[in-house]
Amino acid sequence: DGGITQSPKYLFRKEGQNVTLSCEQNLNHDAMYWYRQDPGQGLRLIYYSQIVNDFQKGDIAEGYSVSREKKESFPLTVTSAQKNPTAFYLCASSITSAGELFFGEGSRLTVL
Amino acid sequence: DQQVKQNSPSLSVQEGRISILNCDYTNSMFDYFLWYKKYPAEGPTFLISISSIKDKNEDGRFTVFLNKSAKHLSLHIVPSQPGDSAVYFCAASVGAGNNRKLIWGLGTSLAVNP
Repeated sequence: DGGITQSPKYLFRKEGQNVTLSCEQNLNHDAMYWYRQDPGQGLRLIYYSQIVNDFQKGDIAEGYSVSREKKESFPLTVTSAQKNPTAFYLCASSITSAGELFFGEGSRLTVL
Repeated sequence: DQQVKQNSPSLSVQEGRISILNCDYTNSMFDYFLWYKKYPAEGPTFLISISSIKDKNEDGRFTVFLNKSAKHLSLHIVPSQPGDSAVYFCAASVGAGNNRKLIWGLGTSLAVNP
């Protein structure tokens, strides 16, 4: 089955630790995205990548880092510099930057 | 500054009736609009879209209407079913090539009561 797989679904970490969220897609999509959802905030774009080895900051990139070494994979690292990391993180992909987004199931990160 | 506004945070409708979800936008350069549906603890799923050159797009029980002069679009669900209970996000697309961006509304939570 084609789709986007995010892991882990739930993650607990201590304050000050870096955390990496995995996102893999087998849809052969060029573009991949990371969003963050907080209650009442809608979806906010963290980083996006339209091609391998290239990525751009979104609206709230501070405290996050990404890599795009393979077309299928776009991991997100939540660093200790992120002031409020507890949130629901969504990865998405699209055929082109203009296309409809296909989302993963999400990863809920809780920092204790 | 919210360029895509969903002014109703929540909506409650009786099963079998029509659900109308509204979305207003401020940027006249938006050329493509999309609706997504999201269940709790899941990723959003694409529902229906409309190009700015059209005023209506229909897919089964779902119809999206676009009024460009009013910078307003709406999603109609007829008849509403309990399984339609979810958060609905309106999104608008702007830009060209690598600068193309998707701007999201804050969502409207729809409850369809049996």
